[in-house]
Amino acid sequence: DTGVSQDPRHKITKRGQNVTFRCDPISEHNRLYWYRQTLGQGPEFLTYFQNEAQLEKSRLLSDRFSAERPKGSFSTLEIQRTEQGDSAMYLCASSGRTGVSTDTQYFGPGTRLTVL
Amino acid sequence: QKEVEQDPGPLSVPEGAIVSLNCTYSNSAFQYFMWYRQYSRKGPELLMYTYSSGNKEDGRFTAQVDKSSKYISLFIRDSQPSDSATYLCAMSAENAGNNRKLIWGLGTSLAVNP
Repeated sequence: DTGVSQDPRHKITKRGQNVTFRCDPISEHNRLYWYRQTLGQGPEFLTYFQNEAQLEKSRLLSDRFSAERPKGSFSTLEIQRTEQGDSAMYLCASSGRTGVSTDTQYFGPGTRLTVL
Repeated sequence: QKEVEQDPGPLSVPEGAIVSLNCTYSNSAFQYFMWYRQYSRKGPELLMYTYSSGNKEDGRFTAQVDKSSKYISLFIRDSQPSDSATYLCAMSAENAGNNRKLIWGLGTSLAVNP
């Protein structure tokens, strides 16, 4: 399978703990996006990478959130000191030189986070 | 006012019906229009992609963009129970630089009953 993959698929954690999610984009895609989605809502943009550079970060993203894409391939999203309000589906998408167009974003299956 | 408006439904139709899903938007800079399908507890899956105005057909699915009215539609012909999902519209602006950040509708929940 050459689609976007995310790990883990589910994460249950206690409030105050740190969590880290991983995203592997479609190979040759140079753009990578992180979104958060809660029930009944569309995905909410969190941050965007072009290659290894983080070019945009949502103003809604608190300092407890950090994302990296060290070699321009996979990316990690870390949430420190988790809060119950962080419970959501975290989606990763990639776009680039393959696909319907260079702008088309392809999504992974998501990581569902539950903070108790 | 949200940049993209989409009726969340739910929409319930019998098998074989024609389904019409719609979004309206306010930003005239939007040039790229997409429809995604999302099954419960899964990531969104690209269904249709349209650049600028016009129609696009792919099997049972037809996407329409009317930029003068700032209105996009997705039609599903001969709907099947397997079409039951949430349909999200998404769009982005041509002048967004290298960041094609998508602006999303809330999604419309569709149930096709056998």
